[in-house]
Amino acid sequence: EAQVTQNPRYLITVTGKKLTVTCSQNMNHEYMSWYRQDPGLGLRQIYYSMNVEVTDKGDVPEGYKVSRKEKRNFPLILESPSPNQTSLYFCASSLTGTSGSTIDEQFFGPGTRLTVL
Amino acid sequence: DQQVKQNSPSLSVQEGRISILNCDYTNSMFDYFLWYKKYPAEGPTFLISISSIKDKNEDGRFTVFLNKSAKHLSLHIVPSQPGDSAVYFCAASAYGNKLVFGAGTILRVKS
Repeated sequence: EAQVTQNPRYLITVTGKKLTVTCSQNMNHEYMSWYRQDPGLGLRQIYYSMNVEVTDKGDVPEGYKVSRKEKRNFPLILESPSPNQTSLYFCASSLTGTSGSTIDEQFFGPGTRLTVL
Repeated sequence: DQQVKQNSPSLSVQEGRISILNCDYTNSMFDYFLWYKKYPAEGPTFLISISSIKDKNEDGRFTVFLNKSAKHLSLHIVPSQPGDSAVYFCAASAYGNKLVFGAGTILRVKS
């Protein structure tokens, strides 16, 4: 089954304790992205990757790191989490990201609810 | 400053009637628009899209209308079904760049 998986689905942690949220897709997609969803703000892009070893900042990258060493995996790293990073996080992937003037359909993972105390 | 706005946080509709979800945008460079649907505890799923060269796109019960002069798009669901109850996100992109999402509208279809 074609899918994007995220782990963990739920996480409660404390300020300053490094954590990693994993994301994996089995569709051989080149483009992967991380979003956070907050009430009243919709989904905001944190980082994205057009291909292996190619990553770039989205709209809200502060406090986050990513890496893309393999095509299928795109982990999100919080080196020193703070309470303002409490949010619902989604990983997404698409075939190429863009197709000329259109944009490829993005497939989303089920989400990771993170609480930072 | 939110470039994509969904001003109605929620909408309640009777089963069988039409649901109309609205979305406004401020960036005139946006040329591609999408609607995503999200159920609780799941990620968003793509629903329907429209390019700025069109003013209407239809897919079964779902139709998206685009009014470029007003910078407004709407999603019509006819007839509405209880399974349509979800959060609907409007999103836009400019020249194939990143997606910019609205805050979402919660649709409740009552049976």
